[in-house]
Amino acid sequence: SYELTQPPSVSVAPGKTASISCGGNNIETKSVHWYQQKPGQAPVLLIYYDRDRPSGVPERFSGSNSGNTATLTISRVEAGDEADYYCQVWDSGSDHDLVFGGGTKLTVL
Amino acid sequence: EVQLVQSGVEVKKPGESLKISCKGSGYSFNSYWIGWVRQMPGKGLEWMGMIYPGDSDTKYRASFQGRVTISADTSISTAYLQWSSLKASDTAMYYCARHIGAEVGTRLDHWGPGTLVTVSS
Repeated sequence: SYELTQPPSVSVAPGKTASISCGGNNIETKSVHWYQQKPGQAPVLLIYYDRDRPSGVPERFSGSNSGNTATLTISRVEAGDEADYYCQVWDSGSDHDLVFGGGTKLTVL
Repeated sequence: EVQLVQSGVEVKKPGESLKISCKGSGYSFNSYWIGWVRQMPGKGLEWMGMIYPGDSDTKYRASFQGRVTISADTSISTAYLQWSSLKASDTAMYYCARHIGAEVGTRLDHWGPGTLVTVSS
């Protein structure tokens, strides 16, 4: 089965830029989606198809996907961005599963 | 406005059965896959499986096959997740979410608020 690897935690100061990686074998051939989950809340779709933003998501959130790593970038980080972030792909191999990364806790210092 | 409304908190004993629900509104319920996602306490997201209400086609993650049953009632726009015999390890928050996009690009664009299931003797 396909595996996605994320760092457990990332810390950033307010106003700076945070990057959260999502590693997978040849992930550039897949469509990567990102979710934000704040404490006690359901996840929210943040980025889809590697880099597109649903309506209402600030432009500070952006995505990229190349080689074996997809990246979520958050510019001008705010205190309210503190949350868990998950990447996701569809594994069209033998299992046909929706796969999440393990999640990254973003801490705003 | 797309909404997914889930049933309330459940506290059960090991061995008991359970069926939780997810009612969709604001869109054509029959035309979108509905997925179920487990989040164990303090852990990440795990996709369990999905159902296409229009024809009841169902797909399960291998690790959940045989452990849970996903179903839907199109007459009331509601999807279900059920267990015949709960275990303590089933204690988790369960989210339903709407799938959008073709299979290789599918993602979950709307989520329910979650149903907390606690299984304890």
